Amino acid sequence: GAVVSQHPSWVICKSGTSVKIECRSLDFQATTMFWYRQFPKQSLMLMATSNEGSKATYEQGVEKDKFLINHASLTLSTLTVTSAHPEDSSFYICSAWALYNEQFFGPGTRLTVL
Amino acid sequence: AQKVTQAQTEISVVEKEDVTLDCVYETRDTTYYLFWYKQPPSGELVFLIRRNSFDEQNEISGRYSWNFQKSTSSFNFTITASQVVDSAVYFCALSEKNFGNEKLTFGTGTRLTIIP
Repeated sequence: GAVVSQHPSWVICKSGTSVKIECRSLDFQATTMFWYRQFPKQSLMLMATSNEGSKATYEQGVEKDKFLINHASLTLSTLTVTSAHPEDSSFYICSAWALYNEQFFGPGTRLTVL
Repeated sequence: AQKVTQAQTEISVVEKEDVTLDCVYETRDTTYYLFWYKQPPSGELVFLIRRNSFDEQNEISGRYSWNFQKSTSSFNFTITASQVVDSAVYFCALSEKNFGNEKLTFGTGTRLTIIP
């Protein structure tokens, strides 16, 4: 199956700093990438849908100014958590959607904000 | 709105027992896809199955089997002869066509523990 990578796999940062997470489709072109957030022992919640070359579509309740998404190419989307606070600590998972209607998930990035 | 319900929060069974994980969904779409994913402690989602709404045939893959019943809006997952490696959180998900993309709605997950 297709491979999606995320970098970093984990990150610890101080409150108030910004953190960038990369999501790459390694062997296919992804016109759409999705960003999910998962709090401990909870389900995955979709944060936003990212389409290459256009603005991301955010789900209700997700602050677009806080979670900046850039999908500059067909293989890369980035999520930047700006001015991170402890409540932003979570497991962030991206997925990439290929034209043949399959969605492949990355391994996730664990963010801890101190 | 789409909704996926996994009523079983946690299940524990002794190794080699069979176990069924329930999934009930709600959607107004006539065309949709249902999924099951496994999430081991590492956190990475492992794809198990994708089923479209027009295919109600049951599926078997090794020790795994799935029962899709549109009449009851259910897509249940059975593991036969369970093994310790099956211990994980299992998510059922439903896709919504969003301009051709598959936007997934996940259930709350069932934490399965296989006791050796």
